Amino acid sequence: AQSVAQPEDQVNVAEGNPLTVKCTYSVSGNPYLFWYVQYPNRGLQFLLKYITGDNLVKGSYGFEAEFNKSQTSFHLKKPSALVSDSALYFCAVRDTGGFKTIFGAGTRLFVKA
Amino acid sequence: NAGVTQTPKFRVLKTGQSMTLLCAQDMNHEYMYWYRQDPGMGLRLIHYSVGEGTTAKGEVPDGYNVSRLKKQNFLLGLESAAPSQTSVYFCASSPGTGRNIQYFGAGTRLSVL
Repeated sequence: AQSVAQPEDQVNVAEGNPLTVKCTYSVSGNPYLFWYVQYPNRGLQFLLKYITGDNLVKGSYGFEAEFNKSQTSFHLKKPSALVSDSALYFCAVRDTGGFKTIFGAGTRLFVKA
Repeated sequence: NAGVTQTPKFRVLKTGQSMTLLCAQDMNHEYMYWYRQDPGMGLRLIHYSVGEGTTAKGEVPDGYNVSRLKKQNFLLGLESAAPSQTSVYFCASSPGTGRNIQYFGAGTRLSVL
């Protein structure tokens, strides 16, 4: 069965510092991996995805994520955090042979000025 | 281009009342989904549709019904609301499965008293 774990409920970082939001996954086949962001009172917005190829994926707003097959991880990163990055971040996985997308519980990122 | 539109945005129901949530997308997407979002649990799939006239159960379908009479619309019904259905409901659409991303509406916040 597919599953996604986001081990941190909240991540706190100072503006200008690098940030990492962690995600690990479990699928039976090769994964499609996604990061979405949710701002207050809004729906989820797509940030980036890993399909195949380079393990480092670049996405919107300066975010990137590193796919690590041996550790079954897909951590979200940004070199320099902004206060405006404060939001709820969801990791999601889909088996390449399947249909349903499984979402993690979400990690709240708080960037302090 | 409006994307995915959900109505209403907010609703308060009494236990036992019924209501329908409407989702409309203008991107000609085949796939549509209904999720519920609860604190600490991420998004859970209620029902989904792979095309006009088709629907299927997701992870938490009990107490809900859906219909997709037109390709652009996906309706979620609660026949007899219960307090356990207090949640934020999100509709999403996608052009396909696999590597395709999902596009989300802004959500409907439902309280059942």
